[in-house]
Amino acid sequence: GNSVTQMEGPVTLSEEAFLTINCTYTATGYPSLFWYVQYPGEGLQLLLKATKADDKGSNKGFEATYRKETTSFHLEKGSVQVSDSAVYFCALRGSARQLTFGSGTQLTVLP
Amino acid sequence: DAGVIQSPRHEVTEMGQEVTLRCKPISGHDYLFWYRQTMMRGLELLIYFNNNVPIDDSGMPEDRFSAKMPNASFSTLKIQPSEPRDSAVYFCASSYTGTGLMNTEAFFGQGTRLTVV
Repeated sequence: GNSVTQMEGPVTLSEEAFLTINCTYTATGYPSLFWYVQYPGEGLQLLLKATKADDKGSNKGFEATYRKETTSFHLEKGSVQVSDSAVYFCALRGSARQLTFGSGTQLTVLP
Repeated sequence: DAGVIQSPRHEVTEMGQEVTLRCKPISGHDYLFWYRQTMMRGLELLIYFNNNVPIDDSGMPEDRFSAKMPNASFSTLKIQPSEPRDSAVYFCASSYTGTGLMNTEAFFGQGTRLTVV
């Protein structure tokens, strides 16, 4: 079946530091890949997505590239802000409609 | 659109009581999902519907859990009887079938935090 393995947290960074959160997946066929963000007390919000190999999803300074050869979709941001503190989830959607989520990575950015 | 609306936001109930969680999906969306989030198990898919029909309920933990979608604008998740281990945040999400089969995204509600004491 489908699975997503995500870098374990928590991750603590200083403001303006570079962020990488690793994500690898196992799936048959050609899944779509997503990063969702969850702020405290809120539901999940789509951050970015990529639907085919070599696609780069980007939003709010975050980027992730769909790497089929390494089955990865690592999340990066060049300069994090305090407001980026949240839990980040990597997810995939295969041939069925439901999302399979990673375990989530808690990010805390200190001023 | 107001997004996916869940109610209540918080629910505290005693063990053995019946609990009903409610969800209104985004208008026009044809898929509806129920997820449960806990620290131990992360986000788990419980059940999902397509055009009001349950497609996959393999994630429903026990017979105490049931879900219905009587129409396109409403779904319920019921736990009867509730137990302390059911304490979690329950999310509802909806999505639509876009122009490409793989190009849909799920929109989540704010969740219901359930505490069973």
